Amino acid sequence: EADIYQTPRYLVIGTGKKITLECSQTMGHDKMYWYQQDPGMELHLIHYSYGVNSTEKGDLSSESTVSRIRTEHFPLTLESARPSHTSQYLCASSEPQQGLGSEQFFGPGTRLTVL
Amino acid sequence: ILNVEQSPQSLHVQEGDSTNFTCSFPSSNFYALHWYRWETAKSPEALFVMTLNGDEKKKGRISATLNTKEGYSYLYIKGSQPEDSATYLCASIIYSGGGADGLTFGKGTHLIIQP
Repeated sequence: EADIYQTPRYLVIGTGKKITLECSQTMGHDKMYWYQQDPGMELHLIHYSYGVNSTEKGDLSSESTVSRIRTEHFPLTLESARPSHTSQYLCASSEPQQGLGSEQFFGPGTRLTVL
Repeated sequence: ILNVEQSPQSLHVQEGDSTNFTCSFPSSNFYALHWYRWETAKSPEALFVMTLNGDEKKKGRISATLNTKEGYSYLYIKGSQPEDSATYLCASIIYSGGGADGLTFGKGTHLIIQP
């Protein structure tokens, strides 16, 4: 079983609040990712990181921001939550493996509802 | 954003029957194709990572094939069991030259095994 954790699992919050979704992994993986899934839709990559102090935006534009100060920790922050941010957010990590697409290990996700 | 298409969207199969479903993806600049199984209330788990045209991989009763020239992959389940009930996600990685390997997902095939 993968050692990647997300908290909280569920969050209901009012518009305008600042929120941070936590993601931690104990596998020592350099690469980490955040995906967003709206109901009935695909998972979309919103952020990724190659390692400490590296952050990049993914394919889907997002108002969220991320940081990577420690290898094991990759939090996602929304400065001012809006109902349009209601979604499921999944964090993942993978081993760097030159020339191959390494499997990604996923956390259980955070279901965010913004009222 | 490239499109990964999966069909069918959902599938009801009798226990003991075999089944298969399809993933199609753009074949240009192909890098890797992933299959994940996502059970309700759990994290997505990797089944296969495939990179070479003609690849065929097997894990127990589940197998997958890959055709990178025409841009499709099939997932087969032999002798379906209730524990196979899950959403099966296909995801592609397109080589971008930048080393990013965020996955582009399809919407998944929701498989229900009926006893």
